[in-house]
Amino acid sequence: DAGITQSPRYKITETGRQVTLMCHQTWSHSYMFWYRQDLGHGLRLIYYSAAADITDKGEVPDGYVVSRSKTENFPLTLESATRSQTSVYFCASKSTGVSYEQYFGPGTRLTVT
Amino acid sequence: DAKTTQPNSMESNEEEPVHLPCNHSTISGTDYIHWYRQLPSQGPEYVIHGLTSNVNNRMASLAIAEDRKSSTLILHRATLRDAAVYYCILSPLYGGATNKLIFGTGTLLAVQP
Repeated sequence: DAGITQSPRYKITETGRQVTLMCHQTWSHSYMFWYRQDLGHGLRLIYYSAAADITDKGEVPDGYVVSRSKTENFPLTLESATRSQTSVYFCASKSTGVSYEQYFGPGTRLTVT
Repeated sequence: DAKTTQPNSMESNEEEPVHLPCNHSTISGTDYIHWYRQLPSQGPEYVIHGLTSNVNNRMASLAIAEDRKSSTLILHRATLRDAAVYYCILSPLYGGATNKLIFGTGTLLAVQP
């Protein structure tokens, strides 16, 4: 399917476990982003990537790891999940050039018990 | 990053115009004004963006004050589907090549039938 997809859509995990959230886009966009959304905070940028093998921290990177070996994929890993990482996670992508529009995925709702 | 101020919530009636204000008094000369919206249980979606001149597209219009310290998103005829959180975001033209979006808490628009 064309577009940007996230998997899983829902995930429950236990404190201390490692969990990876997947993001896949079919547009070959250079830029990809991970946000988290919590009540009262809007969306906060966790990590972003300008191209394959280029990643950088956003506003709230602690406790998260990203990689981007292929342009189309941008997985987000919680190495040791904590309850404070219970949130809805959104992935987004953006092309280079004159377009400034970010395209968001449907989100992953993660609960850490 | 320059900050935006939006009302927490607004109400509108269906088929009437809606004017969503945004104040950004510390905007710099190279900041674009972006508007995104987030429908319930979905990821944000792009609405419109502009730099200095008023902009129109199929979804909305963006009116930018002459001094650029404020802007207004105009929905010409609100529908029930327009009920969402609307985010006004500033992003620099040359934002470290990322065009990062820093989301605030936005305006929750309720549309009454």
